[in-house]
Amino acid sequence: NAGVTQTPKFQVLKTGQSMTLQCAQDMNHEYMSWYRQDPGMGLRLIHYSVGAGITDQGEVPNGYNVSRSTTEDFPLRLLSAAPSQTSVYFCASSYSANRGPSNQPQHFGDGTRLSIL
Amino acid sequence: AQSVTQLDSQVPVFEEAPVELRCNYSSSVSVYLFWYVQYPNQGLQLLLKYLSGSTLVKGINGFEAEFNKSQTSFHLRKPSVHISDTAEYFCAVSDGFSGGYNKLIFGAGTRLAVHP
Repeated sequence: NAGVTQTPKFQVLKTGQSMTLQCAQDMNHEYMSWYRQDPGMGLRLIHYSVGAGITDQGEVPNGYNVSRSTTEDFPLRLLSAAPSQTSVYFCASSYSANRGPSNQPQHFGDGTRLSIL
Repeated sequence: AQSVTQLDSQVPVFEEAPVELRCNYSSSVSVYLFWYVQYPNQGLQLLLKYLSGSTLVKGINGFEAEFNKSQTSFHLRKPSVHISDTAEYFCAVSDGFSGGYNKLIFGAGTRLAVHP
């Protein structure tokens, strides 16, 4: 049971290049999300998914695309990288997207450190 | 819109001393509150959560937090810290409605530095 796996761990891109950050979980979790972490700003939600085929925007979706074709995978795409997208990206998952109080903790990956020159 | 304010960006403390990390939130509806810890070069781990019921919540590693609705606060405390508690701590809130409770709004983080 690997939990949430993010690849790559580090990446350097040039402005305008495209890239896909991979996220996979092996816990059969419904809910998956992407955050970016910037100094002094905490984590901000980019996109999230409540199940296969269903995605929605978070706080800072511009410049990023996502898809959820399977329960396990939730890739994040940068179509044309910009220096403002230099950040640490975290993928997270949890068992249920249920709105009730029976919350399950979110499991976070170890992050992808992305630098855009 | 929801927001979370962590009142201290850095908290230095000596080993075995007590510590309090402060968190205030703003929301017009009932909220769920969380504290996460991030060790260097790692993802976040859940320390504790408040969903309902008792306002004093106990978590892992000896941490606890108290929900105060009138002051819209959710401060994290530990009576005696260890060197291994050195990490960054994040307070987060969700309202359970706009996208479900998993849609978290995070504070900017508090870096706890425990000195021998």
